[in-house]
Amino acid sequence: AQTVTQSQPEMSVQEAETVTLSCTYDTSESDYYLFWYKQPPSRQMILVIRQEAYKQQNATENRFSVNFQKAAKSFSLKISDSQLGDAAMYFCAYTPGGNQGGKLIFGQGTELSVKP
Amino acid sequence: DTAVSQTPKYLVTQMGNDKSIKCEQNLGHDTMYWYKQDSKKFLKIMFSYNNKELIINETVPNRFSPKSPDKAHLNLHINSLELGDSAVYFCASSQTGTGFSPLHFGNGTRLTVT
Repeated sequence: AQTVTQSQPEMSVQEAETVTLSCTYDTSESDYYLFWYKQPPSRQMILVIRQEAYKQQNATENRFSVNFQKAAKSFSLKISDSQLGDAAMYFCAYTPGGNQGGKLIFGQGTELSVKP
Repeated sequence: DTAVSQTPKYLVTQMGNDKSIKCEQNLGHDTMYWYKQDSKKFLKIMFSYNNKELIINETVPNRFSPKSPDKAHLNLHINSLELGDSAVYFCASSQTGTGFSPLHFGNGTRLTVT
């Protein structure tokens, strides 16, 4: 069974500093996609970044970047120059490739707080 | 313009009642979903529809019945509500039902059963 594990229930970072959120996953598929979603207190689910498993290059989106280690099945999110608005619950998610319905499997989430 | 909209945002009801949550997307996507987020914030898929056809049904009780009148709408009807149904329900859509297309989520409906 495919699973996603986020081992850090809570993380804290000082404003302007860098923080890394961890995520590991388990799958026997070779084709899949990984995502980080952000859920602020407003409850909205916001896509932060996406990584295709077939791409060796790590995805980046402005201050957000990932460290994708396919062999280790690790997919961590790095937030640089943290801002107060980054405070939220962050979810790592996995979906298999191909036409399998687009089902996302989520990790348990990491609550990130940002200290001014 | 709201891409994926759900109504209502909040729903408080008593055990045994029947309620519906509506979802509409204006993105022209082919696939729509319902996810449930429990009290520990864990998110799990319930259903997915592609062009009005049920694709995924994740061992959800029969009291939950999704209905897709067209590919822009996916409603969730819940019969005989139970305390354990209290959760936040998210509707989402994607261009296709493949991993290539990221999901766009609505803002969720917080259901409280008393």
